[in-house]
Amino acid sequence: DAGITQSPRHKVTETGTPVTLRCHQTENHRYMYWYRQDPGHGLRLIHYSYGVKDTDKGEVSDGYSVSRSKTEDFLLTLESATSSQTSVYFCAISLGQGLSGANVLTFGAGSRLTVL
Amino acid sequence: QQQVKQSPQSLIVQKGGISIINCAYENTAFDYFPWYQQFPGKGPALLIAIRPDVSEKKEGRFTISFNKSAKQFSLHIMDSQPGDSATYFCAARVNKFYFGSGTKLNVKP
Repeated sequence: DAGITQSPRHKVTETGTPVTLRCHQTENHRYMYWYRQDPGHGLRLIHYSYGVKDTDKGEVSDGYSVSRSKTEDFLLTLESATSSQTSVYFCAISLGQGLSGANVLTFGAGSRLTVL
Repeated sequence: QQQVKQSPQSLIVQKGGISIINCAYENTAFDYFPWYQQFPGKGPALLIAIRPDVSEKKEGRFTISFNKSAKQFSLHIMDSQPGDSATYFCAARVNKFYFGSGTKLNVKP
């Protein structure tokens, strides 16, 4: 999927445990995003990053934190996983956000997380 | 509150037929309207997109119709094929992207 690698692809964990999902890109894109996909809700933005150490909240950020120490890596952490965080998580990248041709979101293959 | 409302939730079309998926929005600040196609086990991929100053955009069998006054836009898939069976998401952007809830299309042979 266009130079985006998500890991792990599948994870089963128990309520209350910490979980970290990793997104790695080889495109050198400035913007990186974490979305969750749930039936009936489409894709909802959790957090995004507009540069190293620069992050901001999305629509559904409660219970999640992110970090970006390198251009190529964007980590999503669930400090204490809950069953409501069972979902498929997608990382996406884009060159920019302005009115230009570089406004396309490119998605990774997803990470399926099950919290028991 | 969902920024972009998409319908129908699921759609069954015979091979060769026309598939139509509709989306509506309220925020007039949206400046870019893409459609994404997602196959099972894969991430969404950009299919076609339109800006609000254009009423229609066509790429092969895929057409976006855009009605700015009604704040609606739709995806038309002409001559639908079984290979088009996938989930389709509309989206709208103002700084960030807001996605519709998705339409699962099944094209029967």
